Amino acid sequence: GNSVTQMEGPVTLSEEAFLTINCTYTATGYPSLFWYVQYPGEGLQLLLKATKADDKGSNKGFEATYRKETTSFHLEKGSVQVSDSAVYFCALNTGNQFYFGTGTSLTVIP
Amino acid sequence: EAQVTQNPRYLITVTGKKLTVTCSQNMNHEYMSWYRQDPGLGLRQIYYSMNVEVTDKGDVPEGYKVSRKEKRNFPLILESPSPNQTSLYFCASSERGPQDEQYFGPGTRLTVT
Repeated sequence: GNSVTQMEGPVTLSEEAFLTINCTYTATGYPSLFWYVQYPGEGLQLLLKATKADDKGSNKGFEATYRKETTSFHLEKGSVQVSDSAVYFCALNTGNQFYFGTGTSLTVIP
Repeated sequence: EAQVTQNPRYLITVTGKKLTVTCSQNMNHEYMSWYRQDPGLGLRQIYYSMNVEVTDKGDVPEGYKVSRKEKRNFPLILESPSPNQTSLYFCASSERGPQDEQYFGPGTRLTVT
C-alpha cells in the first residue's frame, strides 16, 4: 500500500542551526511528494512539492529532493528561525488520494 | 479573500446524535477532501470529491458520509457518531486534484461523549 514515514519528533534547535527532517515513502506508481506545514492553531499550508524523480522543491529557504532510488524526500533548511517553529508533514499523492506522515514538531529557540 | 470555511469550529455531542460539519470554498475548486487529524497518526483522508456528484472513499471512510451537490460545498455527515470519531477535522480544496496545492480550512474539533 501507500504510506509515508517521517522521523519522530519533537525536534528542538537553536536559531540558525541546520535542519533535516527525514521522510521516506512507499507507493505504487509514480507519486508526487509534498511537505506541508502547520503553524499553531491553523490549518496546513503547502511548503514545497516535487512531482518526479530528481526534482527539487524549494520555498522560504527550505528544500527537498525527490530521490526515487532511496524512496526519500528529506526536508532541509540551512539556518532555521524562531518563526519556523511548527509541525511539518511529509505527504504523497498517487491517483486521487493523498497520504500524510505523522508529522514532526519543530521548536526553534532563540 | 480566497478561503475554505468550516462550521462549526468546535462541537461536543453525544453518541448516536447525527451531525453535519459544513465545508465551503470560494475558489471554484474542483477537488475537495476531508481529513481527520489524531495524535501520533497525522492526517488521514476520509473522503474526497473530484467534482460535483463525484465522491470517493479515502483511507478511513467508515462511519462517515459526504455529498457534493454544489461545487463550493462538501459537507461531512456523521449519521451515528461514536467516541472513536473524536478528532480534529480538516476540509481542503484544490484546483483540479490532490497534485495541486490544497487549501485547508481552520479545522473542526469534535468531541463525542
